[in-house]
This record gives sequence, structure tokens and C-alpha cells, in this order.
Amino acid sequence: DTGVSQDPRHKITKRGQNVTFRCDPISEHNRLYWYRQTLGQGPEFLTYFQNEAQLEKSRLLSDRFSAERPKGSFSTLEIQRTEQGDSAMYLCASSLRGGRQLTDTQYFGPGTRLTVL
Amino acid sequence: QKEVEQDPGPLSVPEGAIVSLNCTYSNSAFQYFMWYRQYSRKGPELLMYTYSSGNKEDGRFTAQVDKSSKYISLFIRDSQPSDSATYLCAPQGAQKLVFGQGTRLTINP
Repeated sequence: DTGVSQDPRHKITKRGQNVTFRCDPISEHNRLYWYRQTLGQGPEFLTYFQNEAQLEKSRLLSDRFSAERPKGSFSTLEIQRTEQGDSAMYLCASSLRGGRQLTDTQYFGPGTRLTVL
Repeated sequence: QKEVEQDPGPLSVPEGAIVSLNCTYSNSAFQYFMWYRQYSRKGPELLMYTYSSGNKEDGRFTAQVDKSSKYISLFIRDSQPSDSATYLCAPQGAQKLVFGQGTRLTINP
């Protein structure tokens, strides 16, 4: 257990419904990342936050996707009007970046598995 | 062409064998190179990382990076059945990790 938690662990929804996932990072970590992983592939970057600021978004993040980190602690990822192609594992990671560090180690949560029927 | 290429396997070896896992990448700006292990239906777990070219050893695991050929390797010595998992190489580009496809490894007792 890395200390990053995600809720729910599994979500089954019907096409066209909206879904929201939550990630709670390791408490002192200032960076939070979202990735998506489909079966047999490695995770793909979606977006990341430093504190409450969303600093980068992938082209994979269509306008149906929105992520927030309102107080620089937990984050939510919402998918509107879900499509079957959204079925995947949604992974959250957190890290501590600061000072003279040139990189930061990302610790992953267990993921939320989304199935869109 | 993907930024990071990794043979998906599957790779099956007997217990005690030396395992070699490899990736190639195209972006010469990558400076940090991570290896993650992922068990079925779990999140990736960081094994180790290296900075720039060179070797790094941690117990039975050795990571190697050759930036001149853009080649990343992970060696596992004295492999154990508990090492059975998917191994993901992940160079770090700017802030984000760029993952390979993952190699599914099975160690047979």
C-alpha cells in the first residue's frame, strides 16, 4: 500500500452516464497525476496538478473529461457522457517536488476500473 | 512510432534464471528512467530508477541505461515465483512518465 487511495475501485455504468472518481494522495505530496491504462497497455498520462493548479493536460483528455484539485489535497476526475471507449483503469499518482530536486518519484494508487456498457 | 517501445512478451522462465527486460525510446530529452512492477489488477509499484546513462543495482535487480543507443534494461537475478508480474519501463519526460507497453513475466517454480 503506497498511501495513495482511490474510490471507487470499480465502476460499471451505462453509455451516456456521467461518472466521477476520487483520488487521495499521500498527505504531504504537492503533485498529483492522472493516468489511464487499457488492457495490455502501459499507463498513459492524462493530466497533473501542482497544489491546486492544473499544469498540463494530454490530448487524450477530451472536453468530456474534467479534473479538479480544489484545495490542493484530493482530486476528482469526471467523465461526462461516457462512451464504451472510456472503459479502462484510471490511475492516480502523487509525488513531492520541491527545492533542488530534479525529479520526483510518483507513487500510484490501486486504480479505479471503469466499465462502460 | 511510440516514444517508448517494450516487448510485451509474455516471457516465461524457470525459477532461478536471470531475466533481461528491455525497452527502447526515441526522445533524447529523457533523463530519468524508471522501472515499475505491476501485479494483476493493482497499481504500478516503483522498483528503481536511474539517472542518465549507467548502472544501478538494488538487491537482485540491476537497471541499465545506454543513452547513446536509447536502450533501457532491467536484469533480475535468481528470479523467484513472486517476481511474476508485468514490468513497465517509464522514462520521465518533463513532469510525466511515458510508459512502455509492459512485459508480462512468469517465473515457473
